[in-house]
Amino acid sequence: DVKVTQSSRYLVKRTGEKVFLECVQDMDHENMFWYRQDPGLGLRLIYFSYDVKMKEKGDIPEGYSVSREKKERFSLILESASTNQTSMYLCASSLFRGPKGYTFGSGTRLTVV
Amino acid sequence: KNEVEQSPQNLTAQEGEFITINCSYSVGISALHWLQQHPGGGIVSLFMLSSGKKKHGRLIATINIQEKHSSLHITASHPRDSAVYICAVKGGGGADGLTFGKGTHLIIQP
Repeated sequence: DVKVTQSSRYLVKRTGEKVFLECVQDMDHENMFWYRQDPGLGLRLIYFSYDVKMKEKGDIPEGYSVSREKKERFSLILESASTNQTSMYLCASSLFRGPKGYTFGSGTRLTVV
Repeated sequence: KNEVEQSPQNLTAQEGEFITINCSYSVGISALHWLQQHPGGGIVSLFMLSSGKKKHGRLIATINIQEKHSSLHITASHPRDSAVYICAVKGGGGADGLTFGKGTHLIIQP
């Protein structure tokens, strides 16, 4: 069963800590995405990547960076976590072209205290 | 930037009822997705549409490209259908992310 795996389901971090959220997909998808989901705001795109070592800013990249050293792995980095980054983070992947849809991970609920 | 509007925001219905959730968007798209999210859970892709109609079990999704509108229907609804249903659209190009509606919170009561 093909899937997108996020390394942690729940995380609690302190303000100012450097936080890594990991995402791995086993479908050989070119595209990978990081979204955050907040009540009343829905899902918003943070960053995406369409190839190894390539990255593009989404709608809300401030305070985040990403890394894609291997095709199957896309990491989201909070350089200095802040309380307003408390959220549900969802990773997704898709093929670059073609009729296939998106596959989402189970999400990581991050709390910054 | 595409604006995606869903209605209703919240819907409570009795088991067995026919359910309709609507989605409209402001700019032409290459595909529209219907997604399902259970409480505390990840997101599951239900349909991807670029035209016409798709059916899977008790779920039916339709799209009208000219009117920039899509509907998700659930026939013979069941309490296990209770979830948040999210409409998302994709513009042109191969790598862009999705733009999401805020979701419809559906509760089916036994």
